Amino acid sequence: DVKVTQSSRYLVKRTGEKVFLECVQDMDHENMFWYRQDPGLGLRLIYFSYDVKMKEKGDIPEGYSVSREKKERFSLILESASTNQTSMYLCASSPTGALSTDTQYFGPGTRLTVL
Amino acid sequence: AQSVSQHNHHVILSEAASLELGCNYSYGGTVNLFWYVQYPGQHLQLLLKYFSGDPLVKGIKGFEAEFIKSKFSFNLRKPSVQWSDTAEYFCASMATDSWGKFQFGAGTQVVVTP
Repeated sequence: DVKVTQSSRYLVKRTGEKVFLECVQDMDHENMFWYRQDPGLGLRLIYFSYDVKMKEKGDIPEGYSVSREKKERFSLILESASTNQTSMYLCASSPTGALSTDTQYFGPGTRLTVL
Repeated sequence: AQSVSQHNHHVILSEAASLELGCNYSYGGTVNLFWYVQYPGQHLQLLLKYFSGDPLVKGIKGFEAEFIKSKFSFNLRKPSVQWSDTAEYFCASMATDSWGKFQFGAGTQVVVTP
C-alpha cells in the first residue's frame, strides 16, 4: 500500500513564526502536492512538484513556499505564519505514467492553528 | 479558469435510500474527473475516475458516476446506501492542458441514518 505520512497531526504556532510541514511518500512517486482544506471551500491547491527541485504554483501560493530536495519528501513552508493560514493541510502523491493523473494518494493531514 | 461546484453541502438519508450527488465543472476543454471520499477520521481516497470512453464509470463500494459532456456534469450515484457510507464526498477535475492543477468542489457531507 502507498503510504503518505505527514510530520504532525496537530500543530500550534504563533503569528510571525516560520513553519515547516513535512510530507514523505514511500512509493517512489514523481508527483507531490500540497493542499489546504477549509470547511465550505473544499481542497485548494497550494503547490505541486513533478520532480526533484521542480515546483509549480497552484491556486493559492501566496504566503507559502515549498522545497523538494529528495524524491520522497515535499516540504511546505509558511515564511511568516498568519492567522488566516489556520487550516488543515493535506499532502498527496501520484505516479507518472500513461495515465499520470490516475490517482492521488493523500496523507492524514496536519491541522495547523496560528495564534 | 476551471472550477467545480457541488450542488449540496449536506445530505441526510436513511439506509437503503438512493443517493445522487451533483457535480458540475466549468471548463470548455478536455477534463479528467474524479470523485474522492473522506470517511470520518480517515484519509481522502479515490472512489472513481473518468478520463475517456464509456461515460458511465463504476467505482468502489457500489458507487457509479455518469459524465454528461453537454451538461458539464459528473454526478455520483449509489442505488442503496449503508450507514458506512457516511462521509464527505468531493468532486474534482483536472484540465488535460493544465497538468497537476486539480480543482476540488466544496464537498458534500452525507449522513446515513440507520
